[in-house]
Amino acid sequence: GEDVEQSLFLSVREGDSSVINCTYTDSSSTYLYWYKQEPGAGLQLLTYIFSNMDMKQDQRLTVLLNKKDKHLSLRIADTQTGDSAIYFCADITGGGNKLTFGTGTQLKVEL
Amino acid sequence: DGGITQSPKYLFRKEGQNVTLSCEQNLNHDAMYWYRQDPGQGLRLIYYSQIVNDFQKGDIAEGYSVSREKKESFPLTVTSAQKNPTAFYLCASGTSGSGEQFFGPGTRLTVL
Repeated sequence: GEDVEQSLFLSVREGDSSVINCTYTDSSSTYLYWYKQEPGAGLQLLTYIFSNMDMKQDQRLTVLLNKKDKHLSLRIADTQTGDSAIYFCADITGGGNKLTFGTGTQLKVEL
Repeated sequence: DGGITQSPKYLFRKEGQNVTLSCEQNLNHDAMYWYRQDPGQGLRLIYYSQIVNDFQKGDIAEGYSVSREKKESFPLTVTSAQKNPTAFYLCASGTSGSGEQFFGPGTRLTVL
């Protein structure tokens, strides 16, 4: 089945850029997603990218997709303490009926 | 306000007991999902439903059951057959075929 991998932890200083990486195995993925989870809460969709795009920018967020290497990244510019959370990448599988989530990357922003 | 709610937020149960977690949405979404979250393992899909009166097993359905009698509601029962039920359970809803899912606040289940 589909496998989505992320590193577990990332620590950055406030004001720096954060880059969270993700690799996936399903070459037929059409859309890839980034979700954010704050402590003790549900997930919220941050952004997504269509598989025929290389890059998508949305305010402080930049998503890069390397389809050949099946590598997705999320860059957060000017990282703030409010960005501390767990970030999940996900792709849509099962004929468009299911999301497969990565393990999540816990981002810690230090002053 | 449109949204998705889960209750209760915290739930304790004794070993051997069944327990039902509630999930309700007023977003008019056809599809609803149940996930289990354990530390370091991301989200794993338990069951999902794309339409009323129909549902499919996800990756870890053993020891769980669901029903979808109404569009707005998708309750999850954790049965005594689930060997390690202590976890954070998340419900989500969305449009069928879309990866944009809206999540509830979660229920933390602890088996004593």
